[in-house]
Amino acid sequence: GQQVMQIPQYQHVQEGEDFTTYCNSSTTLSNIQWYKQRPGGHPVFLIQLVKSGEVKKQKRLTFQFGEAKKNSSLHITATQTTDVGTYFCAAGGYQKVTFGTGTKLQVIP
Amino acid sequence: NAGVTQTPKFQVLKTGQSMTLQCAQDMNHNSMYWYRQDPGMGLRLIYYSASEGTTDKGEVPNGYNVSRLNKREFSLRLESAAPSQTSVYFCASNGNVGHGGGNQPQHFGDGTRLSIL
Repeated sequence: GQQVMQIPQYQHVQEGEDFTTYCNSSTTLSNIQWYKQRPGGHPVFLIQLVKSGEVKKQKRLTFQFGEAKKNSSLHITATQTTDVGTYFCAAGGYQKVTFGTGTKLQVIP
Repeated sequence: NAGVTQTPKFQVLKTGQSMTLQCAQDMNHNSMYWYRQDPGMGLRLIYYSASEGTTDKGEVPNGYNVSRLNKREFSLRLESAAPSQTSVYFCASNGNVGHGGGNQPQHFGDGTRLSIL
């Protein structure tokens, strides 16, 4: 089945610094989804990317899908303490998705 | 609108005991999923049901069984619990008629925290 590698596994940043997590696949993906899970919570859908080279923004969050549709990134500008949590990418197939291992973000006030 | 409801929220079992985790969704979704989440392992798919009346194995199905009771409900059963099944279990749903579940956002329940001693 599909496998997606996500790096880094952990990231500590000072509040106000930027943060990026990367998702890589050895195969071409039909779509990529991003989720956020707050500590003690459940994953919450953020966005889906479908087109090659697609870039989408949500306030301070920027999502990119690679030209070859094999990688994706999530960039947060000027992190805030509310950004704390684990960010997952998920590679979409026909009937299910495959989740990456996640990047746990800690923001130091 | 409750979304996806999982019961129970917490459970402690002894090795060898059996139990069923319940999941229900009220969004008229076709597809439902069971995942387990372990530290550093992300979310791993146990079983899924692409539509009412069908179930399929995911990445880690051993030791589990599922039942898609109707369109709303999808249960996960541990027949003989083992310590290796200590985990947080999430149920999710997605997919409207005509759309494959892999192309739709997934909606998650709050999870069941299961400990097996």
